Amino acid sequence: DQQVKQNSPSLSVQEGRISILNCDYTNSMFDYFLWYKKYPAEGPTFLISISSIKDKNEDGRFTVFLNKSAKHLSLHIVPSQPGDSAVYFCAASGPGAGSYQLTFGKGTKLSVIP
Amino acid sequence: KAGVTQTPRYLIKTRGQQVTLSCSPISGHRSVSWYQQTPGQGLQFLFEYFSETQRNKGNFPGRFSGRQFSNSRSEMNVSTLELGDSALYLCASSLGSTLEQFFGPGTRLTVL
Repeated sequence: DQQVKQNSPSLSVQEGRISILNCDYTNSMFDYFLWYKKYPAEGPTFLISISSIKDKNEDGRFTVFLNKSAKHLSLHIVPSQPGDSAVYFCAASGPGAGSYQLTFGKGTKLSVIP
Repeated sequence: KAGVTQTPRYLIKTRGQQVTLSCSPISGHRSVSWYQQTPGQGLQFLFEYFSETQRNKGNFPGRFSGRQFSNSRSEMNVSTLELGDSALYLCASSLGSTLEQFFGPGTRLTVL
């Protein structure tokens, strides 16, 4: 059973517009969430994270929102740039032994159209 | 600062063989995690090592094993390879937790 779900396999956005990538989770023990970006033939690169004690974290063009009651988080990229085209993975971890592993979603492929 | 390195980058094996993959973490990082990435299942956690001890293990059969050396370098071994083991194997290092794990480029394993 997938504990972290990214229901949109792909997303296309015009350059300069906002990209919104969504992620849902089922395990209420998760208390830390991360977003990674992956280009072909490279390993995932850490983008931004958020702790469950917050509902928003911002870093430049990237903002992550967390809605704990809905078990939902989203990554906003504003403005979107062609170089943002990649696969984006949502990941989560929990307390105790669970803090030593990341549970990933299956990814959303973002295409930013010039 | 050098990133996470993985060797080899590509590997072709046949069913029944065994394989060993290597990972060198970022200098100073003591935690090394391994993940398997396949098109159907996405990224799945294999195991994590810290100071030569396995701290956590994912839901993979015993054919998948690993170890970590005193210099934090890690190896992953898969015995009796099956076609379904074909995947990208990713190694990630961190200072000691899941916070900002840094990934290597991966080893692409193909089992024929």
